[in-house]
Amino acid sequence: QVQLVQSGAEVRKPGASVKVSCKSSGYAFTSYYIHWVRQAPGQGLEWMGWINPHNDDLNYGQKFQGRVTMTRDTSISTVYMELSNLRSDDTAVYYCTRERGVADAFDYWGQGTLVSVSS
Amino acid sequence: EIMMTQSPATLSVSPGERATLSCRASQSVGSNLAWYQQKPGQAPGLLISGASTRATGIPARFSGSGSGTEFTLTISSLQPEDFAVYYCQQYDYWPYSFGQGTKLEIK
Repeated sequence: QVQLVQSGAEVRKPGASVKVSCKSSGYAFTSYYIHWVRQAPGQGLEWMGWINPHNDDLNYGQKFQGRVTMTRDTSISTVYMELSNLRSDDTAVYYCTRERGVADAFDYWGQGTLVSVSS
Repeated sequence: EIMMTQSPATLSVSPGERATLSCRASQSVGSNLAWYQQKPGQAPGLLISGASTRATGIPARFSGSGSGTEFTLTISSLQPEDFAVYYCQQYDYWPYSFGQGTKLEIK
């Protein structure tokens, strides 16, 4: 069965960086885009960007340009999302999610990773 | 960026009754519209894609309709497990964008 399993919760100070992993299983890793979506406490869903595991193509949301880096390691079917220069308003649950096809909905989601930013 | 606006923000409905949730796009997204359900402490789950196609395993009491800029999610005969937050999302244009959510609560 398809699974996306994310790394555990992180605590960082303002100005630091965090790197969250998302390990895929149960499907052809390079055949589906992986997106990152975050959710601040009590708030809605915010799209951050995607990575194409097949060819490393990237698309970042304008809000995150210059601070986010998405990478992948095909040998272990894992994608990473690194966010730098963290601020308190980056405190959120970060989800990885699979896009089902080309211009399609998100059919599988990771369990989420809480990133807390506090001095 | 396409703005997605959901209404109402909160909807109070009794179990067994029908719930109607709305989603409006700031410009046409065709039928490239999805609905997700999120329960507390859980990741969102896909309910509907293509504006009206239920995802695998989703009960028939969930139905979606609309195209262009106006969309509706209807849940007939609400079950206790249906009380959650619902998000619409357009995937027609980058950046893909979500509505702010509708919280469906027990009346």
